Amino acid sequence: GESVGLHLPTLSVQEGDNSIINCAYSNSASDYFIWYKQESGKGPQFIIDIRSNMDKRQGQRVTVLLNKTVKHLSLQIAATQPGDSAVYFCAETSSGGSNYKLTFGKGTLLTVNP
Amino acid sequence: DAGVIQSPRHEVTEMGQEVTLRCKPISGHNSLFWYRQTMMRGLELLIYFNNNVPIDDSGMPEDRFSAKMPNASFSTLKIQPSEPRDSAVYFCASSPRFPYNEQFFGPGTRLTVL
Repeated sequence: GESVGLHLPTLSVQEGDNSIINCAYSNSASDYFIWYKQESGKGPQFIIDIRSNMDKRQGQRVTVLLNKTVKHLSLQIAATQPGDSAVYFCAETSSGGSNYKLTFGKGTLLTVNP
Repeated sequence: DAGVIQSPRHEVTEMGQEVTLRCKPISGHNSLFWYRQTMMRGLELLIYFNNNVPIDDSGMPEDRFSAKMPNASFSTLKIQPSEPRDSAVYFCASSPRFPYNEQFFGPGTRLTVL
């Protein structure tokens, strides 16, 4: 099927290594952030979220770091596995205003080499 | 847990035809979102509903697109008439709480307009 990764930033790692995927956001009013994983032919799947009153949050093998000063978000995956190969999207939204709209980044293609 | 259900999974139609995409959100979720994904533009929010009421349709490309949510368990996205540039993967997502909550995505409908 059609690949969403042909023109995306790519990251290639060896199985067992740690991966770091970065995301820059532009809206300084954004206060809620989510990382999604999208495998080929599937819909995005929630990985982890973080609110702006935190700078770090950990999940199972994943850690999200938020640096509001430079408007930067990162996703760290420990002991990367072949099943982690996918496109990873960051998404942001702001609590300001009456509407809720999740804005997605362009995505990063992660390839895990066995 | 069936997750978000979308139909059809694939649709091929000719320019000028009407296309209707369907979505059944997760039971109990009160927010529903329609997205479009293309290589050029990434993942774009088209419209979202809260408690069956459209909240923001500013992402709908033009009048050829319309969306309805007649009840809490069903939504449609209609394109009439369809054009080749509408070819994309269309995702439906639902969320249990509005706002600030994880969105659960369906598998998507791959639309090809010839």
